[in-house]
Amino acid sequence: SQKIEQNSEALNIQEGKTATLTCNYTNYSPAYLQWYRQDPGRGPVFLLLIRENEKEKRKERLKVTFDTTLKQSLFHITASQPADSATYLCALGAATGFQKLVFGTGTRLLVSP
Amino acid sequence: NAGVTQTPKFQVLKTGQSMTLQCAQDMNHEYMSWYRQDPGMGLRLIHYSVGAGITDQGEVPNGYNVSRSTTEDFPLRLLSAAPSQTSVYFCASSLQGAQGKLFFGSGTQLSVL
Repeated sequence: SQKIEQNSEALNIQEGKTATLTCNYTNYSPAYLQWYRQDPGRGPVFLLLIRENEKEKRKERLKVTFDTTLKQSLFHITASQPADSATYLCALGAATGFQKLVFGTGTRLLVSP
Repeated sequence: NAGVTQTPKFQVLKTGQSMTLQCAQDMNHEYMSWYRQDPGMGLRLIHYSVGAGITDQGEVPNGYNVSRSTTEDFPLRLLSAAPSQTSVYFCASSLQGAQGKLFFGSGTQLSVL
């Protein structure tokens, strides 16, 4: 069956370090992958999109990689700040069923001062 | 610019009652979708629409109806509420379909007793 897996355990890091979050998928042929941030009691907010033919995307302190061989995306936040504390969700759009965006369960990031 | 507006924010229903969750967007987005979010399950797609008059099912459509008579509005109907439908519901819209940047509403917390 199709699965998108994100680490369910919270990631705790110190301010200034790089946070790395993982999104693994099985039985998918993704055409694109997106990352969202969600704060408690709020809707998700879009961060980055990367397509299957792109290896890496950057935006300010954020970097996303997409390895279709490993079936994995890594999401990096450099120089992390306490304000980066949130839950981060990955979402895949498959090559078939193109208009259905399927989300992982998310990983909570806690950045300590 | 209001973005995506969901009403109500909170709702308590008794089993068997019906209700409509409202979603409106003022960005002229053709694509709109409904998700439910449950602890440990992540966001699951209920229904989506690629334009007025066009709707399709997502991962968990049973027990829910939708219609799209205008570009702006995409209401979600529960015909006979069940306790299994207790969840937080999010509406989202996008200019470029599911592969575009999804804008989410702030959610409706629904409890079915």
